[in-house]
Amino acid sequence: TQLLEQSPQFLSIQEGENLTVYCNSSSVFSSLQWYRQEPGEGPVLLVTVVTGGEVKKLKRLTFQFGDARKDSSLHITAAQPGDTGLYLCAGRSYNTDKLIFGTGTRLQVFP
Amino acid sequence: DTEVTQTPKHLVMGMTNKKSLKCEQHMGHRAMYWYKQKAKKPPELMFVYSYEKLSINESVPSRFSPECPNSSLLNLHLHALQPEDSALYLCASRGTRAEAFFGQGTRLTVV
Repeated sequence: TQLLEQSPQFLSIQEGENLTVYCNSSSVFSSLQWYRQEPGEGPVLLVTVVTGGEVKKLKRLTFQFGDARKDSSLHITAAQPGDTGLYLCAGRSYNTDKLIFGTGTRLQVFP
Repeated sequence: DTEVTQTPKHLVMGMTNKKSLKCEQHMGHRAMYWYKQKAKKPPELMFVYSYEKLSINESVPSRFSPECPNSSLLNLHLHALQPEDSALYLCASRGTRAEAFFGQGTRLTVV
């Protein structure tokens, strides 16, 4: 069974702080995505990473794919209340149609 | 605006009812997913259709019956559900790098 463990599970911070969310697995993935989900809505794709060691930036968000393609991190600089939500990583292994989601990190940013 | 449309947005049904959830995408993707999401949990994969054929069934009870009439449409037929089946049901289509584009979901309540 493939598992994607995210840490921390919950994060409550003040506006302007920095944070990092981790996504770890013992499995190798051909690609990995990060999503953000708001209550009652579907997850929204933030980024896809496909190359080991890849780093992508999306405004204040920085995503990194581990060299061994088993883990990833999401770093947010100067968090804002609009960043509040559930952050999910998801990975697809080679030769499979499955897209498996991580355990999720719930972020709350207070003004 | 999401390019994956799910209907209805909300559904309340009795345990003896038969209902269907519908999903439509116009991005030309050839794979589509059904996920179930309980409160405060990540999405759990139920079914994957690839080129209009069922490629993955994650041991889902037969009271859930998927159907893919064509590459743009995905249905989930529901019959004799239980209260514990109440959840947010999410449909997604798969992009070229295995990323998922989600609809807004159907909030299902079984009474």
